[in-house]
Amino acid sequence: DTGVSQNPRHKITKRGQNVTFRCDPISEHNRLYWYRQTLGQGPEFLTYFQNEAQLEKSRLLSDRFSAERPKGSFSTLEIQRTEQGDSAMYLCASSPWGQGGRIQYFGAGTRLSVL
Amino acid sequence: AQTVTQSQPEMSVQEAETVTLSCTYDTSESDYYLFWYKQPPSRQMILVIRQEAYKQQNATENRFSVNFQKAAKSFSLKISDSQLGDAAMYFCALLEGETSGSRLTFGEGTQLTVNP
Repeated sequence: DTGVSQNPRHKITKRGQNVTFRCDPISEHNRLYWYRQTLGQGPEFLTYFQNEAQLEKSRLLSDRFSAERPKGSFSTLEIQRTEQGDSAMYLCASSPWGQGGRIQYFGAGTRLSVL
Repeated sequence: AQTVTQSQPEMSVQEAETVTLSCTYDTSESDYYLFWYKQPPSRQMILVIRQEAYKQQNATENRFSVNFQKAAKSFSLKISDSQLGDAAMYFCALLEGETSGSRLTFGEGTQLTVNP
């Protein structure tokens, strides 16, 4: 499977715990994006990377959220001190920027439930 | 700020019939892209069709076509010969040019039901 891979698919945690999600983009895609999707809504942009550089962060990305893409390949999204409002689907997408007409390819997402 | 609006939370269509999903958007950019994505239940988002704003010709992908009205900032999706597998949530999305970042802005979605 050469698509965008996200792990885990589901995460249940207690309020106040830290969680980390991983995203493996399509090989050689230089841009990687994180979005959050709550039930019945469209995805909302969180942040994106070009190679290893984090170029933009949304106001939705509070200080409790941090994302990394250390070698320009996979990325991690960490949420510290989780709150019930963090419960959502976290989507990762990758794009071969400059080619392919700006298309973003999505993974299946990680569904987070904060109890 | 860019916005995308889908005014139809739910739509239904009979198998083999045609259905049109509506989308309007707002942007101050002249260079942008519009997309329709499909999200089946518990499955990943899949690109259905893409339109570059500078192209006047409406995009077509097999049974899927768009009606791009740039002046009206309207971007509707037509699904012909609807199939049961078309049932999903459909999102309209806007991506502005490089100078405005590369985030996708999504609408609220339209849940499409296909009746046999």
